[in-house]
Amino acid sequence: RKEVEQDPGPFNVPEGATVAFNCTYSNSASQSFFWYRQDCRKEPKLLMSVYSSGNEDGRFTAQLNRASQYISLLIRDSKLSDSATYLCVAVPTGTASKLTFGTGTRLQVTL
Amino acid sequence: NAGVTQTPKFQVLKTGQSMTLQCAQDMNHNSMYWYRQDPGMGLRLIYYSASEGTTDKGEVPNGYNVSRLNKREFSLRLESAAPSQTSVYFCASRISLAGVQETQYFGPGTRLLVL
Repeated sequence: RKEVEQDPGPFNVPEGATVAFNCTYSNSASQSFFWYRQDCRKEPKLLMSVYSSGNEDGRFTAQLNRASQYISLLIRDSKLSDSATYLCVAVPTGTASKLTFGTGTRLQVTL
Repeated sequence: NAGVTQTPKFQVLKTGQSMTLQCAQDMNHNSMYWYRQDPGMGLRLIYYSASEGTTDKGEVPNGYNVSRLNKREFSLRLESAAPSQTSVYFCASRISLAGVQETQYFGPGTRLLVL
């Protein structure tokens, strides 16, 4: 089993739709979590951190469920510009940490 | 701040040739990482350096060597390139301080084609 698993998609949604991705992690010692966005042929860029109590940044909401070991990303009012691959990351404890990336979920927003 | 920079952006090699991919960061980060990304495989860690003076193998180290030249720079060397090393290579850095919840920042990548 992979340490971090994501549905690869693609998720095809119309503009204005709400879409949600989940990401499951197997290492219960993981302490912090992040969502990245990666555009085609570009580097991954940090989208947002995921806090235990859940957090929101504009149209994006991230949540953590430690009991079930998953994190989620909700995108409201999807824009064409949201089309990208979304990677989740789990960070174990320790400063010399190797981050574990999911393989990504591809989102395609259409007119 | 330039963040994480990588050179070259593109490279074509013949099988058996050697080359070094350069990476530098100006964020005073302690840890640096090299990944490769192939279609359908996600990011795979090649080597990382938790702090200046240390390096460790990641998931796919075979065929590569690294040097943490100083706190800023972390290079990746292919001694004898093989077609299987055709990939996009990303360098990343992270502050890695106790008590600081911080993630990685990536360079723009190097696209390598080995013929």
